[in-house]
Amino acid sequence: KNQVEQSPQSLIILEGKNCTLQCNYTVSPFSNLRWYKQDTGRGPVSLTIMTFSENTKSNGRYTATLDADTKQSSLHITASQLSDSASYICVVTPAGNNRKLIWGLGTSLAVNP
Amino acid sequence: NAGVMQNPRHLVRRRGQEARLRCSPMKGHSHVYWYRQLPEEGLKFMVYLQKENIIDESGMPKERFSAEFPKEGPSILRIQQVVRGDSAAYFCASSPLYPGEGPGELFFGEGSRLTVL
Repeated sequence: KNQVEQSPQSLIILEGKNCTLQCNYTVSPFSNLRWYKQDTGRGPVSLTIMTFSENTKSNGRYTATLDADTKQSSLHITASQLSDSASYICVVTPAGNNRKLIWGLGTSLAVNP
Repeated sequence: NAGVMQNPRHLVRRRGQEARLRCSPMKGHSHVYWYRQLPEEGLKFMVYLQKENIIDESGMPKERFSAEFPKEGPSILRIQQVVRGDSAAYFCASSPLYPGEGPGELFFGEGSRLTVL
C-alpha cells in the first residue's frame, strides 16, 4: 500500500469552477508536505510546501490545507483556468530521512471550456 | 539563472544498445535526483547523488543501470543493453542543501524520453 494516496485519480471540471484534490498519507513523523503541478510532457513544479505545524498555505488561486491529526491534505483550486489542466502530485518528506521523498500517484485534472 | 538542463530530450535506441542521459543541475545545487515515469504512472525514485557520491540508489534496478555525478560536468544516467521495458521519461531534479530538514524544493528538468525499439 502506497504511503501517500491521492483522490480522485482523475477529475474533469468546467473553466471557472472550483475543485478540491485530496491527499491521505501514513508517513509519520514527517518533515514537510509539498504539492507539485506537472503539465503534460513537462517536469513537476512545486506549488506549496507545508510543515507539520502549518494548517494552510496559499499560492495565488491554489490553497493547500493540512490536518496532521487525520493525516490529510487538500489542494483547492479557485476559479479554474484551462492552464490548470495538469497532474497534481502530493509529496511527503519523512522526518529524519532527508533522502527519500514519498510520492503520490497524482490526480489528473482536465479543465474544459 | 538557467534551470535544470537535461539532454537529450528524446532518445531512440534499439534493444541491446546503450542509453546515456545527462543532467546539469541548477547553479549552486549540489544534489541530484533521478526519477523514472512510465506512461500514465507516477514518478518513481531511482537514485540520489551528491558530487562524486551516490547517497541512495535503492530505486535503481540492480543490473544495467548506473549513475554518476562527477566533480566536473553533468550527472549521467547510463542504461546498458536497453530493453523495451526501459522506454519511459527520465526526469532529473536538483536541490540545494537545507541542513536538518531534508531535501529542499526539487527543481525538475523537462525530462528525457527514451524509446526502445
